[in-house]
Amino acid sequence: DAKTTQPPSMDCAEGRAANLPCNHSTISGNEYVYWYRQIHSQGPQYIIHGLKNNETNEMASLIITEDRKSSTLILPHATLRDTAVYYCIVRVDFGNEKLTFGTGTRLTIIP
Amino acid sequence: DAGVIQSPRHEVTEMGQEVTLRCKPISGHNSLFWYRQTMMRGLELLIYFNNNVPIDDSGMPEDRFSAKMPNASFSTLKIQPSEPRDSAVYFCASRDIPAGNTIYFGEGSWLTVV
Repeated sequence: DAKTTQPPSMDCAEGRAANLPCNHSTISGNEYVYWYRQIHSQGPQYIIHGLKNNETNEMASLIITEDRKSSTLILPHATLRDTAVYYCIVRVDFGNEKLTFGTGTRLTIIP
Repeated sequence: DAGVIQSPRHEVTEMGQEVTLRCKPISGHNSLFWYRQTMMRGLELLIYFNNNVPIDDSGMPEDRFSAKMPNASFSTLKIQPSEPRDSAVYFCASRDIPAGNTIYFGEGSWLTVV
C-alpha cells in the first residue's frame, strides 16, 4: 500500500481557504487519492477522490501534482463546521478493498 | 436514503458480559465493513464482507470477537466475553462495490466496558 504523510495539525481562519497537503511519493499508477474527514463524535465522511486530474465537487477541490507524488485538498471558504480530522488515503479502486486510515491532519478553523 | 444505521448508539456493560452491535447498511450496498476507533490505535478495520461473505477478518483482535452478516441488510459484531480494553467506538460502513472506495459510515456505537 502506498503510504501517505500528512501534517498532524493545521489552523485556518474562518472564511479563508484551507489547504491540506498530503505526500504520497510511492503511489502506484493505478492508485487513487481519497480524502475523508471525521468531525468529532461522528463517523468518517467521504469528501473527494481523484486519479490524475484535479477534481472539484460541492465540498472541496483536489489538486494532484503532475508526478502524482503529492496532493492538496482545498476547502475554499472554511467554516467552523469544517473543524475535523482529515484523512488522505491512496488505494486502488478495485481488487484490494481495504481502506486503511492513518492519523490524518487535525484542522481547526479559527473564528 | 437513511444512511448506515447502527445500534445501540451507546452501551455501558460490565466486564464479562456479551455485547452485540448491530448494523443496517445502505440499501443496495453489497460491501460492509466494521471498524474500531480508539485514541491509542486510531481507526482500525476489523472485518469486511462482500455480498454477505466475510472476505478479510485479519483485523479481528481475538476469538472473543465475531461478526456475521446473515443477509444483505443486517450485520452483527459480537464480543463475548467483553473486557475493559474493548471500550471504543465501533463504526459500521457500507459501499456499492462498483463505486470503488467511496464508503459511507454510520454514526458509531460507543462501547464502554467497566
